[in-house]
Amino acid sequence: EFVLTQSPATLSLSPGERGTLSCRASQSVSSNLVWYQQKPGQAPMLLIYGASNRATGIPARFSGSGSGTDFTLTISSLEPEDFAVYYCQQRDNWAFGQGTRLEIK
Amino acid sequence: EVQLVESGGGLVQPGGSLRLSCAASGFTFSNYWMSWVRQGPGKGLEWVANINQNGSVKYYVNSMKGRFTISRDNAKNSLYLQMNSLRAEDTAVYYCVRDMSGGNEYWGQGTLVTVSS
Repeated sequence: EFVLTQSPATLSLSPGERGTLSCRASQSVSSNLVWYQQKPGQAPMLLIYGASNRATGIPARFSGSGSGTDFTLTISSLEPEDFAVYYCQQRDNWAFGQGTRLEIK
Repeated sequence: EVQLVESGGGLVQPGGSLRLSCAASGFTFSNYWMSWVRQGPGKGLEWVANINQNGSVKYYVNSMKGRFTISRDNAKNSLYLQMNSLRAEDTAVYYCVRDMSGGNEYWGQGTLVTVSS
């Protein structure tokens, strides 16, 4: 069974710090991987597609990288509005990771 | 403006059925793959099913195959999810999603399905 594992489950950082979120696949996959941000009471919002392409209107502080089994979402300098839950999804088999909660330290 | 409006959620008893609808507007509905994604209370996202532009290709998550049926009516700009033999673990917010194009992807606000006696 294909599994996407996100780490850490919770990340506690302060505004201005750099955030690094990991998404690991149980087997090598294509770069057809996306990242979402979800805030309480809202639908998810697409951040990154194709592992490294920013979606329309997404600030440059968000970047994606990786290949094979290891993918990373990096937020270069956290803004207050970035504290939310982040999910990765592999779009070839549609599986989601379990999410990383980014909280204010 | 792209809009996706889900409806049809509500309270249903275990073993019951429900049909969700998603009304699409602001884009050419028949040009896009569409999906259903759900999120249980306090839980993560779970892809449910998707369907191609003319409805001839459908994919489902294994755990829902045989119980859930995705369909669409391009003349009505609508997407549907027929859910049968509902279980408590199907309790979730169900989102309608328009497939990505040019870096844009759209989600509805979701409709809540509660399976309880």
